[in-house]
Amino acid sequence: AQKVTQAQTEISVVEKEDVTLDCVYETRDTTYYLFWYKQPPSGELVFLIRRNSFDEQNEISGRYSWNFQKSTSSFNFTITASQVVDSAVYFCALSEVANDYKLSFGAGTTVTVRA
Amino acid sequence: ETGVTQTPRHLVMGMTNKKSLKCEQHLGHNAMYWYKQSAKKPLELMFVYSLEERVENNSVPSRFSPECPNSSHLFLHLHTLQPEDSALYLCASSQRQGGDTDTQYFGPGTRLTVL
Repeated sequence: AQKVTQAQTEISVVEKEDVTLDCVYETRDTTYYLFWYKQPPSGELVFLIRRNSFDEQNEISGRYSWNFQKSTSSFNFTITASQVVDSAVYFCALSEVANDYKLSFGAGTTVTVRA
Repeated sequence: ETGVTQTPRHLVMGMTNKKSLKCEQHLGHNAMYWYKQSAKKPLELMFVYSLEERVENNSVPSRFSPECPNSSHLFLHLHTLQPEDSALYLCASSQRQGGDTDTQYFGPGTRLTVL
């Protein structure tokens, strides 16, 4: 069964628009970690954020913000005032104790920001 | 950040060739990983090495043979591959300590094409 679901396959926005990427996860562990990675066309997965299951505070880093809600098992990612350089595939991932902390990735969401 | 490097970046090989992919991490980590990323599929974990010992082999065909001579280097030896093995092969590293796993950092990948 898919542990991480990214329901949006592709999102296309015009520059300066905000874009929110959805991530829903499934786990029975009480201790787990959630991640977001960015994969630009060059191919490398760039780490963006790591959040543990006990820290539900939302986080903001520049134009990026994350909304973690355990009640709905969601860890959504918002890019504010998008730029062309934000065009990439974004992956949400889950790391669980029961899975020896291996990463389970979602299918990814392709974001295209048009000038 | 170029903490994890991979060579070559692109590789084209015939089904009867033997080649090797190389990964090197400069982050002082003690665990290294090989992933396969095929089109339209989530990232698949292939192998995990922790303290130079293989701790995971996700039912990968024997035509893929990993080698971890030390904690900074990881190889993936390829022989008699099939066209369906064409994919982006990503290497990652992390610091595993106790029962916890820290963030995985990825290299730029090797784009492999099997003719």
